[in-house]
Formats: sequence, C-alpha cells, structure tokens
Amino acid sequence: SQTIHQWPATLVQPVGSPLSLECTVEGTSNPNLYWYRQAAGRGLQLLFYSVGIGQISSEVPQNLSASRPQDRQFILSSKKLLLSDSGFYLCAWTPPAGLNTGELFFGEGSRLTVL
Amino acid sequence: AQSVTQPDIHITVSEGASLELRCNYSYGATPYLFWYVQSPGQGLQLLLKYFSGDTLVQGIKGFEAEFKRSQSSFNLRKPSVHWSDAAEYFCAVGAPPNFGNEKLTFGTGTRLTIIP
Repeated sequence: SQTIHQWPATLVQPVGSPLSLECTVEGTSNPNLYWYRQAAGRGLQLLFYSVGIGQISSEVPQNLSASRPQDRQFILSSKKLLLSDSGFYLCAWTPPAGLNTGELFFGEGSRLTVL
Repeated sequence: AQSVTQPDIHITVSEGASLELRCNYSYGATPYLFWYVQSPGQGLQLLLKYFSGDTLVQGIKGFEAEFKRSQSSFNLRKPSVHWSDAAEYFCAVGAPPNFGNEKLTFGTGTRLTIIP
C-alpha cells in the first residue's frame, strides 16, 4: 500500500533562518506531488505542485521554493524565513495521469512557527 | 475562476443529532466535488467525492452528500453524529483529473464540535 511521510512534524525557527521540510511517498511510482499551506480560517492554499523529477510549478509568489530531487521526494525550502511563513504545511500526492481519480492523499502535516 | 464557500465557520451539535454542513461552489463546467475531514493536527482524509451519476453519494464513516446543480451546492449530511466526528470539514471543487494537474480549490472549512 502507499504511504506518505512528512517531517519534521513541528518546527520552531527564528526569522531569517533557513527551512527545509521533506515529504516522501512510498509504494507508488511517478506520483504528482503537492505542497499546501493551511492558515487559520483560510482553508488550504496550494503552494507548489510537481508532475515529475525537477518539474515544479508555483501557484503563488512567495518566500518559499520547492524541489523534487527524486521521483518520490518533495522538499519545501526557504533561505530566510519570515514571520508570515508560520503555518501548517501539508504534503499530498495523487497517482499519475491515467490512474488519477482526483483524490488527494495527504501527509500528517508540519507545524512551522517562526519567531 | 472556481471557488468554494462554506458559510458556517463553526457548528455545534449534540451527540446523536443529525448534521448538515453546507457547501456552495462556483465552477464553469461540470464540477468534481469532494469532502475532506481533518482531525486536529493531522492531514486531511477523503470522506466522499462526486464526479457524475447519482447525485446522492455515500462516503466513509456514515456520511453522505447530495449534489444539487440548480443550487450549486454539495452539502454533507450524517443522520446521527458520534463524538469521534468532531473535526474540521473541508469542501473542495476541481477540474477532471486529466494530465495529473488537477488543482482543487478548498473552502475555508467548518469546525464541528460535538457535545454530550
């Protein structure tokens, strides 16, 4: 069966420090991968998605970047965190085109607090 | 542009009572509609989805939802809630999942509290 892992689960970082959140999917090949941010009362905002290694699409301009160095690995990064980067970050995956039913499978999330 | 409105930010119901969570969407074509549930500090789990066919769809945990095209609604219902249903519920609308680039638009969520 397929599983998705995110880490770290919680992170407290000072303003201006770097960030790296990692997400890996197991049990599938060539998944589509997504990073969402969840802010209180604002639902889920899609930040990045990827349909293959090295292919990243950004949905909103921001202080963050994403990379996909391996087929089932998706990394969210920042060189210098801002206070506004605080939030709950969720990684998700779907099967590739042709197998995709539209359902997103989410990781357990990473809570980032920037102080 | 597609959008989803969940007009109720917070709902409180008694255990054993019925539940209806509202969802209205805006979409230019036939929508793909979803309801997800999120327990505190956790990721989201799919409850049910509607793509086509019967407008009343059954999901996990005893939930159902009805697609009403004339009202642009996809309300979630459960006849009798359990304390374990306390969570946040998100409605989402999206395009058909072609080419793997489907992007869902989520509502802002409805927090459900269950009282004994």
